[in-house]
Amino acid sequence: KNEVEQSPQNLTAQEGEFITINCSYSVGISALHWLQQHPGGGIVSLFMLSSGKKKHGRLIATINIQEKHSSLHITASHPRDSAVYICAVGKTSGSRLTFGEGTQLTVNP
Amino acid sequence: NAGVMQNPRHLVRRRGQEARLRCSPMKGHSHVYWYRQLPEEGLKFMVYLQKENIIDESGMPKERFSAEFPKEGPSILRIQQVVRGDSAAYFCASSLYGTGANVLTFGAGSRLTVL
Repeated sequence: KNEVEQSPQNLTAQEGEFITINCSYSVGISALHWLQQHPGGGIVSLFMLSSGKKKHGRLIATINIQEKHSSLHITASHPRDSAVYICAVGKTSGSRLTFGEGTQLTVNP
Repeated sequence: NAGVMQNPRHLVRRRGQEARLRCSPMKGHSHVYWYRQLPEEGLKFMVYLQKENIIDESGMPKERFSAEFPKEGPSILRIQQVVRGDSAAYFCASSLYGTGANVLTFGAGSRLTVL
């Protein structure tokens, strides 16, 4: 079993819909990261959080440390949000990130 | 204020050749990480370096792969005698501090194709 599990693997939405991507982890962490990867492109860090909730524009990330679960929400989704969204954790021991397999999001106009 | 610079962006090698991938971290960052993304797979940690030191290389294949981050110049990931299975995107990331609770800045990646 992977230490970081994401769901769903693939998600198709219509423009304007509210989107939720989930991430569960099974190890002790110092922080959880949400990343965005566009096709053929690089990786952008969206959020890093260790408790509570963060918001940036139409993106919201939440984390529940007790339940070892995080969600990434996108409000009023747009086709330009189409990308792979990756959850990654920094473990309490060590400095590297452990990644989920990613969620491929497609937003249709 | 350039971000993390990786080059080359695309590299084609024949089996048995050597591949050298370079990464210049963000200005002021002394912690560098290399990650590999095989086709249709997720990102996997390879190695973590600070200037002149390898801190964690537990994700590096035991043979043919090496990494360095010299006092001057970029970090280099070197793959000797490449095989088709080495075809992947190699991402470099840097951070100001070396813990998992620091924001990483990623490069655009180097895409290696082995013929």
